[in-house]
Amino acid sequence: SYVLTQPPSVSVAPGETARITCGGDNIGSKSVHWYQQRPGQVPMLVIYYDDDRPSGIPERFSGSNSGNTATLTVSRVEAGDEADYYCQVWDNSDLVFGGGTKLTVL
Amino acid sequence: QVQLQESGPGLVKPSETLSLACAVSGGSISSYYWNWIRQPPGKGLEWIGFVSHSGDTSYNPSLESRVTISVDTSKNQFSLKLSSVTAADTAVYYCARAEWLSEFDSWGQGALVTVSS
Repeated sequence: SYVLTQPPSVSVAPGETARITCGGDNIGSKSVHWYQQRPGQVPMLVIYYDDDRPSGIPERFSGSNSGNTATLTVSRVEAGDEADYYCQVWDNSDLVFGGGTKLTVL
Repeated sequence: QVQLQESGPGLVKPSETLSLACAVSGGSISSYYWNWIRQPPGKGLEWIGFVSHSGDTSYNPSLESRVTISVDTSKNQFSLKLSSVTAADTAVYYCARAEWLSEFDSWGQGALVTVSS
């Protein structure tokens, strides 16, 4: 089965840039979606189809996908961005989530 | 704006069957794929499976032998049954909507199900 690998944690200072990676075999050939989950809340879509932003998501959130790595980039990080982030792909008709990355704002 | 709402028992005994329903309001259950996802306390998201409006299903291979997801278009809802549960099935269970092989654009609030005697 297809496996997505995320770092367990990423820490950045406010105003800096956070990059959260999602590794998978030839993931660049798949569409990657990213979700933000704040503590006690429902996951929320922040990036879809690699680099599209849903309405209401700040431009500070961006995505890229190439080769064996997809990346969620959060620019000018704010305290409110502290959350768990999950990548997601479809492998044939099976859905796979990454293990999640906890973004800590120092 | 479509809304999803999970319902069902919050406590299930070991070896019994967990049953949840997800009511869809503000939109039709047609033309989408209706998913169940779970999250054990303190852990990550796990996809359980989906059902289409026409009843086609796909399940997580690790759960496939115990899972049944069905749709009731007359009630605009879909359901999850997970048999032979153990403590490892304790989780918040979410229902969510997606187009074919696409992102989840709507989620329910989640329902905590605890497996305990």
